[in-house]
This record gives sequence, structure tokens and C-alpha cells, in this order.
Amino acid sequence: QKEVEQNSGPLSVPEGAIASLNCTYSDRVSQSFFWYRQYSGKSPELIMSIYSNGDKEDGRFTAQLNKASQYVSLLIRDSQPSDSATYLCAVNRGNYGGSQGNLIFGKGTKLSVKP
Amino acid sequence: DAGITQSPRHKVTETGTPVTLRCHQTENHRYMYWYRQDPGHGLRLIHYSYGVKDTDKGEVSDGYSVSRSKTEDFLLTLESATSSQTSVYFCAISDNLGAQETQYFGPGTRLLVL
Repeated sequence: QKEVEQNSGPLSVPEGAIASLNCTYSDRVSQSFFWYRQYSGKSPELIMSIYSNGDKEDGRFTAQLNKASQYVSLLIRDSQPSDSATYLCAVNRGNYGGSQGNLIFGKGTKLSVKP
Repeated sequence: DAGITQSPRHKVTETGTPVTLRCHQTENHRYMYWYRQDPGHGLRLIHYSYGVKDTDKGEVSDGYSVSRSKTEDFLLTLESATSSQTSVYFCAISDNLGAQETQYFGPGTRLLVL
């Protein structure tokens, strides 16, 4: 069973701190990794994608990928109350055009940033 | 929401009635998806389409059918709604199916089956 695992949280951090969100995946052939942010009652919004080992930075967000450890993380620097949301990790299963579609989603980690 | 609309946005229906949800995109993307999202389960793929009249089943397709007669529209039908189909339904689109496929989501439809 190909799976994507995330801690459900809630993860609570004070405003201005670094929030660290983690995701592990089981399928070694996975090549693409995505972080979506979902506010309560809203749809998932893509915030980061990463395809190669290492770090990728975009503003206050940094995605980190370690394919050997099958681990992807999202760091949010200078966390703001507006970052409070559920963060979904998604992994491309690498089975292009297969019968089950391509992206597998984790169940999400709820982040709460306290003022 | 990347040029994606869903209708209706909210619906209450009774067990046994048919229900059709519509996803409309203005991006001319080839690939379209229907997901459901439930507490404790995350996003699960119901059906997807890789072109006009080309569709395939996802992880949780039982009780659902889809149709795509135009590039811009992807319909999800519950032939006889059950309470277990109470959920939030999201449509997503993408323009490629390769390693770097990125999916963008519509605003969602909240469905309550009584």
C-alpha cells in the first residue's frame, strides 16, 4: 500500500517562530512532492513543490526533500497567525496514466500559530 | 482557484435521490479529477479524466459515475445517494501527467445526504 504519512497535530507555535511540518512516504519511485495549505472550509492551495533532494526556498517557506530517507518537510519561518491552517503533503506516485491517478495525499497536519 | 468553478456549492438531498455535481474550468487543461475529503481520511480520488470522453476510476469510485463531453466540464453523478456519500467534493485540474504534474483545486461542494 503506497502511503503518505503526516502527524495530524495540532502543531502549535508562537508567532514569529519556525514551524516544522513533516511527511514520510512509502513509495521509493515517487519523484514529485507538493505542499498544499488548506484553510478551514476552503480548498487546498498549492504553496510549494519540490523534485530534487535538498532545500527549496520561497519567501518564508522552505521545502526539504530527502529521497533516501523518504522524507519531505516544510519549514515556515516567522510564523504568522494567518499561517494557521491544515497543511497537506502530496506525493506523485510515479505511475503516470495508471488506473489510480497520480497524487497521493497525506491526511494533513493542523498548524496553529498563537499571537 | 485557477479558473475552476464548482456547482452547486452546497447541496442537501435525501437518500436514494440522484445528484450531479459540476466542475467547470476555463484553463483548457486536459486532466480533471474528482476527490472527496472526509475527516480522518484526507483527500481520496474518486474518478479522473484524461481527455474528452476518457475517464478512469480512482480509489473510491463505487457509487459514482462521471462524464466529460467537453474539455471544460467534468460531471460527477451519484446515481442513488447514500448517507456515506455525505462529504466535501473537490474538483482539480492539471495540464500534464508527467513527473511534475501539479493539480489545482476548485472551491468545493458540500454535500449532505439525509
